[in-house]
Amino acid sequence: GAVVSQHPSWVICKSGTSVKIECRSLDFQATTMFWYRQFPKQSLMLMATSNEGSKATYEQGVEKDKFLINHASLTLSTLTVTSAHPEDSSFYICSARDEGRGETQYFGPGTRLLVL
Amino acid sequence: DAKTTQPNSMESNEEEPVHLPCNHSTISGTDYIHWYRQLPSQGPEYVIHGLTSNVNNRMASLAIAEDRKSSTLILHRATLRDAAVYYCILRALNTGNQFYFGTGTSLTVIP
Repeated sequence: GAVVSQHPSWVICKSGTSVKIECRSLDFQATTMFWYRQFPKQSLMLMATSNEGSKATYEQGVEKDKFLINHASLTLSTLTVTSAHPEDSSFYICSARDEGRGETQYFGPGTRLLVL
Repeated sequence: DAKTTQPNSMESNEEEPVHLPCNHSTISGTDYIHWYRQLPSQGPEYVIHGLTSNVNNRMASLAIAEDRKSSTLILHRATLRDAAVYYCILRALNTGNQFYFGTGTSLTVIP
């Protein structure tokens, strides 16, 4: 149990376009989901906390107008990278907490974004 | 955010125990200690977590120092599939449940 999926698993886009990444909790409800970014050979960096039915909370230095987060249901959060540029190329990972199971966060498989 | 310090890399022989250390000298009384591991190009996988007492599960054991300023993840018999980056993370209670990842330990398992 406690599976988190992401779609797409990889995406290539042209500079200036917007890309939407979906994060779904498949067998549990998640009022809170998290979005991370990971550059090659580096650790995960928390970008924002996505709250169902309310605005996301962004970490310091993360542009909220650049990375739009929507958490419209208890099983789906989306991250839209607007006007993507090559420096936005990264591995984007989401996680969700199943509050019924306590402390554990469950991570998605990640989405590889390459902006040309 | 309370920080963790881990060795950058460690090696272990296959089928031998592995002890992965983590220092968290600024831990507060309500911080949970979590361990996750990440294989290349995958999302992190939950390994174990604890607060004060030692914990065991089917994957590993977590030994927490009495003063809670350090902890050790123990893999009882390393296999090649255990080769990954292991992250020790402190999660503060009542502050939104965020995880702030450190640099982690890259574990190499030698056949």
